[in-house]
Amino acid sequence: GDSVTQTEGLVTVTEGLPVMLNCTYQTAYSDVAFFWYVQYLNEAPKLLLRSSTDNKRTEHQGFHATLHKSSSSFHLQKSSVQLSDSALYYCALRNSGGSNYKLTFGKGTLLTVTP
Amino acid sequence: DPKIIQKPKYLVAVTGSEKILICEQYLGHNAMYWYRQSAKKPLEFMFSYSYQKLMDNQTASSRFQPQSSKKNHLDLQITALKPDDSATYFCASSPGQGVSNERLFFGHGTKLSVL
Repeated sequence: GDSVTQTEGLVTVTEGLPVMLNCTYQTAYSDVAFFWYVQYLNEAPKLLLRSSTDNKRTEHQGFHATLHKSSSSFHLQKSSVQLSDSALYYCALRNSGGSNYKLTFGKGTLLTVTP
Repeated sequence: DPKIIQKPKYLVAVTGSEKILICEQYLGHNAMYWYRQSAKKPLEFMFSYSYQKLMDNQTASSRFQPQSSKKNHLDLQITALKPDDSATYFCASSPGQGVSNERLFFGHGTKLSVL
């Protein structure tokens, strides 16, 4: 089945500095879409950005990610983090093959932004 | 106004008892899901339904039974509760068009504690 790997469980960054949250994946399907969800404390996860196009940069709320099928990656980046970016970030994928009614999430990365 | 309503928000149960988690969505979506989030397994997929039909089931235990009385309802019945069932249960929905880049919308969750 599909799998998503987020290598860092916890990332701490000083306000104003850049950050990259890693996401790699394994899937047997070529028609797949990738998502980053953000979950603030005591809130529901919500979509941050998504992409299904190889080598195309996707941006939202200052964050960006580029799907690279050659390296099976969909890393999330921001050039200058803010205190309000502190949250749990999930990378996820869905394929349109075996089961397109299942969004597979990674284990999440907790981003803490310090003053 | 929340478009995905989960009831109750908090639930305390005793080991061995049975509880039903309620989920209603008012987004006009055709697909609904249950996910579970705990410290051990963040955002774990449980079930997906489309037009009230079970599409995918990743829950090994038959103690977890989804119930769909209407297209916009997907309740979760849990029997013989165990302390390990303690988690936040998120209901989600999506348009259900079967495309890979379709996003999920999450409810605010039901936090279940089993004593």
